[in-house]
Amino acid sequence: AQKVTQAQTEISVVEKEDVTLDCVYETRDTTYYLFWYKQPPSGELVFLIRRNSFDEQNEISGRYSWNFQKSTSSFNFTITASQVVDSAVYFCALSERPAYNQGGKLIFGQGTELSVKP
Amino acid sequence: DAGVTQSPTHLIKTRGQHVTLRCSPISGHKSVSWYQQVLGQGPQFIFQYYEKEERGRGNFPDRFSARQFPNYSSELNVNALLLGDSALYLCASSVLRGEQFFGPGTRLTVL
Repeated sequence: AQKVTQAQTEISVVEKEDVTLDCVYETRDTTYYLFWYKQPPSGELVFLIRRNSFDEQNEISGRYSWNFQKSTSSFNFTITASQVVDSAVYFCALSERPAYNQGGKLIFGQGTELSVKP
Repeated sequence: DAGVTQSPTHLIKTRGQHVTLRCSPISGHKSVSWYQQVLGQGPQFIFQYYEKEERGRGNFPDRFSARQFPNYSSELNVNALLLGDSALYLCASSVLRGEQFFGPGTRLTVL
């Protein structure tokens, strides 16, 4: 069975602090995809990153970085120099290998609510 | 280009009623998926449609049904509403093997 665990329910930091959001996943598939989405108070899920299981390179995009480690089944997300606008709920998600003409269903974790205080 | 659109934004129904939620995908996207997000939890997969055919179904009762139209828009129908159906219903669209982009959701309240 596939499962995503985000053990941190809530995190509160002060602006400019670095913060890491943890994500641990379970899957029997050898090919899979991992995602991070941001959900601001408006409710819309905003796509941040997709990573496939064969690409373990870390990725950096501005203040955001992601650390993928297959050995520990983790896909952690770090925000450097956090800002108030980063306050939101962040979801990690897993997708089984999509069939030829499917997008693949997403299995989400419970989410981590990040609060960045000025 | 417009993103995924959903209507209505908010909806209030009473127990036992029926509801229809609508979704228009991003232009060029042929796959539409529906998710239910109960307050404080992550979204749960309900359905996926591609080329007007159901390609996946989550663990939801038969009261939930959906369809996709020739223009790739989609409807989610829920019959005999229960209090527990109160949630944010999210629609996502994608291209072949692409990441899913979500709409703003429809917030359904069942009284």
